Amino acid sequence: GESVGLHLPTLSVQEGDNSIINCAYSNSASDYFIWYKQESGKGPQFIIDIRSNMDKRQGQRVTVLLNKTVKHLSLQIAATQPGDSAVYFCAEVNKTSYDKVIFGPGTSLSVIP
Amino acid sequence: KAGVTQTPRYLIKTRGQQVTLSCSPISGHRSVSWYQQTPGQGLQFLFEYFSETQRNKGNFPGRFSGRQFSNSRSEMNVSTLELGDSALYLCASSFGQNMNTEAFFGQGTRLTVV
Repeated sequence: GESVGLHLPTLSVQEGDNSIINCAYSNSASDYFIWYKQESGKGPQFIIDIRSNMDKRQGQRVTVLLNKTVKHLSLQIAATQPGDSAVYFCAEVNKTSYDKVIFGPGTSLSVIP
Repeated sequence: KAGVTQTPRYLIKTRGQQVTLSCSPISGHRSVSWYQQTPGQGLQFLFEYFSETQRNKGNFPGRFSGRQFSNSRSEMNVSTLELGDSALYLCASSFGQNMNTEAFFGQGTRLTVV
């Protein structure tokens, strides 16, 4: 079936360092992208989104970068904290054609105190 | 404001049985989407309901169905359960449809088929 990303990579970072989580998406027609955080035993939580007419968007401690040329999305977390440990998912949506949302396999982030 | 509520939290069923899961969206939200999450396939979209109408459907067999009521509460049903249906089933609600607005997820229903 369709998918965003290939594996479930893991990323370990030292507390206080910056984290960069990457995602490759599949549909060049996708025009809306979302990052979610999922902690153990909980449902995904919205972090930040970006539309395809932008290449960068900043939130509180998070920045999303979009490179449409190579169909790549990244999430940067500044000054990573232990509470940031979770699985992070990217998702793509084709809002123009009301296509279904496609999630990536996720990246597991572990923050080392 | 109460979040998205899914019931039950855990469920064990036998192959061949059918199951109904419930999702109560955040008050005022009219869109409910359902997802299946497994270790092997990750998060996969099942379907989306908006104003009692199914607006989108993912690539799942007809054994998976759903509906939405006038109060926006939604149910999904899986008939003739298979072992591979064991998963965490998540629902998300949003004000607008098709993720035009931020979606909020429930904690999910963990279904185990034995």
